[in-house]
Amino acid sequence: DIQMTQSPSATSASVGDRVTITCRASQGISNYLAWFQQKPGKVPKRLIHAASSLESGVPSRFSGSGSGTEFTLTISSLQPEDFATYYCLQHNSYPLTFGGGTKVEIK
Amino acid sequence: EVQLLESGGGLVQPGGSLRLCCAASGFTFSIYAMSWVRQAPGKGLEWVSVISSGGDTTHYADSVKGRFSISRDNSKNMLCLHMNSLRADDTAIYYCAREESTPFDYWGQGTLVTVSS
Repeated sequence: DIQMTQSPSATSASVGDRVTITCRASQGISNYLAWFQQKPGKVPKRLIHAASSLESGVPSRFSGSGSGTEFTLTISSLQPEDFATYYCLQHNSYPLTFGGGTKVEIK
Repeated sequence: EVQLLESGGGLVQPGGSLRLCCAASGFTFSIYAMSWVRQAPGKGLEWVSVISSGGDTTHYADSVKGRFSISRDNSKNMLCLHMNSLRADDTAIYYCAREESTPFDYWGQGTLVTVSS
């Protein structure tokens, strides 16, 4: 099984800050990686697929990069509505595996 | 509008069984693979199972293999998850989610399963 190690598990940031979240795969997954945002009590929402392709309607301050085993989600200028928990997901092979999540909190 | 509506959750004793279902609408259900994803209270997301569009291929997380069974009825636009030998650590919100070329573009609102005596 492919393990996804996500870091940090939590981060405190201010509005306007640049935030970077990393996911490392235990083996190469090409670009079969997606990023999700989940707000408290809400359903997860896909932000990025294929490691770097932004979903329609997702603000351009979100970006994804990486291939193989290391991936990054960047929020270029954090906005109040971005405070949430973020998860990566590998879908290179079954079982699909999520990262442990990164909670982005208000500093 | 794509809609996924789960049902069947509730309180069940350890060792018991439960069947969850997900009613799909607003898209051609029969051409999409479908998955179940769960989230224990206060915890992260865990993929549970997938079924191919035609229902002939399934995969399971190791944590549920041999206890859970996924099925679908394309004539009724319905996805189900049959859960047996339930344990306390199966307590979670269970979401159905659609897979297009990349998982999961649409999610249901979830149904809560609580395993407790």
